[in-house]
Amino acid sequence: NAGVTQTPKFRVLKTGQSMTLLCAQDMNHEYMYWYRQDPGMGLRLIHYSVGEGTTAKGEVPDGYNVSRLKKQNFLLGLESAAPSQTSVYFCASSIDSGHYGYTFGSGTRLTVV
Amino acid sequence: KQEVTQIPAALSVPEGENLVLNCSFTDSAIYNLQWFRQDPGKGLTSLLLIQSSQREQTSGRLNASLDKSSGRSTLYIAASQPGDSATYLCAARYNFNKFYFGSGTKLNVKP
Repeated sequence: NAGVTQTPKFRVLKTGQSMTLLCAQDMNHEYMYWYRQDPGMGLRLIHYSVGEGTTAKGEVPDGYNVSRLKKQNFLLGLESAAPSQTSVYFCASSIDSGHYGYTFGSGTRLTVV
Repeated sequence: KQEVTQIPAALSVPEGENLVLNCSFTDSAIYNLQWFRQDPGKGLTSLLLIQSSQREQTSGRLNASLDKSSGRSTLYIAASQPGDSATYLCAARYNFNKFYFGSGTKLNVKP
């Protein structure tokens, strides 16, 4: 099925460890986004990309880095995980700047202990 | 900063009832508004997308309306079913990187 695929689905990290979350879409979408979802705070934009090789900061970028080396993939990295980064992370994509809406992945539940 | 508010935060209704979920946004200069459904531990499934030039969109038992001037959108669910139980999120788009979500309404439809 076409869509947005996130890996892994679950992960537990120790404080200070690093990891990379992978987002892959097979819809040839130009725009891709990383959000985090926390109770009572809705979804907040971490980083986004408007095309291959481009990235930009969103609302809450501190502690995260991203890369978009290929159009279909958008990676989110945590260099030194902190308990405050415990959250559910969602990747999304859109064919353009959002006129036709957004497609979301199923999420990655990350716990930092 | 634009804000999106959803009321109520939780709603419990008996099966078969018609219901309305509310979404309000502070800045009326939106491009579009999208309603999503989220099941526990799952991702977001798009339900309806309303462009700023539209007043409503319908899909099956769902109808979403948009009133830019008052900063409101409603999601109407007709003849609710237990399978409709989920959290419903609205999101207002102002730009490709300005897409603001409400905190959601958790719906429970009792058999």
